[in-house]
Amino acid sequence: RKEVEQDPGPFNVPEGATVAFNCTYSNSASQSFFWYRQDCRKEPKLLMSVYSSGNEDGRFTAQLNRASQYISLLIRDSKLSDSATYLCVVNLYTGNQFYFGTGTSLTVIP
Amino acid sequence: EAQVTQNPRYLITVTGKKLTVTCSQNMNHEYMSWYRQDPGLGLRQIYYSMNVEVTDKGDVPEGYKVSRKEKRNFPLILESPSPNQTSLYFCASSTLAGVTDTQYFGPGTRLTVL
Repeated sequence: RKEVEQDPGPFNVPEGATVAFNCTYSNSASQSFFWYRQDCRKEPKLLMSVYSSGNEDGRFTAQLNRASQYISLLIRDSKLSDSATYLCVVNLYTGNQFYFGTGTSLTVIP
Repeated sequence: EAQVTQNPRYLITVTGKKLTVTCSQNMNHEYMSWYRQDPGLGLRQIYYSMNVEVTDKGDVPEGYKVSRKEKRNFPLILESPSPNQTSLYFCASSTLAGVTDTQYFGPGTRLTVL
């Protein structure tokens, strides 16, 4: 069983749309959660960390549900520049290991 | 400029010919890590290091070696590469205190083993 699972998509949405991605993780000992963005096989870059209380950064909102073991990312008012692959990442703090989902592909269409 | 560098960026080699991919960071980070990325499998952690002379296996360590003799460098060694090690490799680093926070990734090394 994979540690982290994501819907690979692709998600094709028009500019201005709201889109949501979900990610589930299997290990209840997981301590830290992140969303990274990866453009066209370039290096991943941190989009935002995910906190238990939920957090927002501009048009991006991340939520964590520990009981159901999933995290989500909401993008409002999608821009063409949001087109990328979004990676869900989980850290098992006890082992300092990171587990990445396979990524969800987003294309924002003019 | 704060960065993680990897060399080479592209490499084509043949089965069994030992190779080393270098990784260097200029941010004085304690934590460094190697990943491979394959279609449909995402990024998988190969090895990581919490500090100098401290290394641990990640999810897919077979066929790889690492060393951490200096804080800034974390080379990945393939003693006898095989075609199933053809992949895109990323090195990453972060502060130890921030090991649960931002990882900074290098630009990637695309390796092909024939």
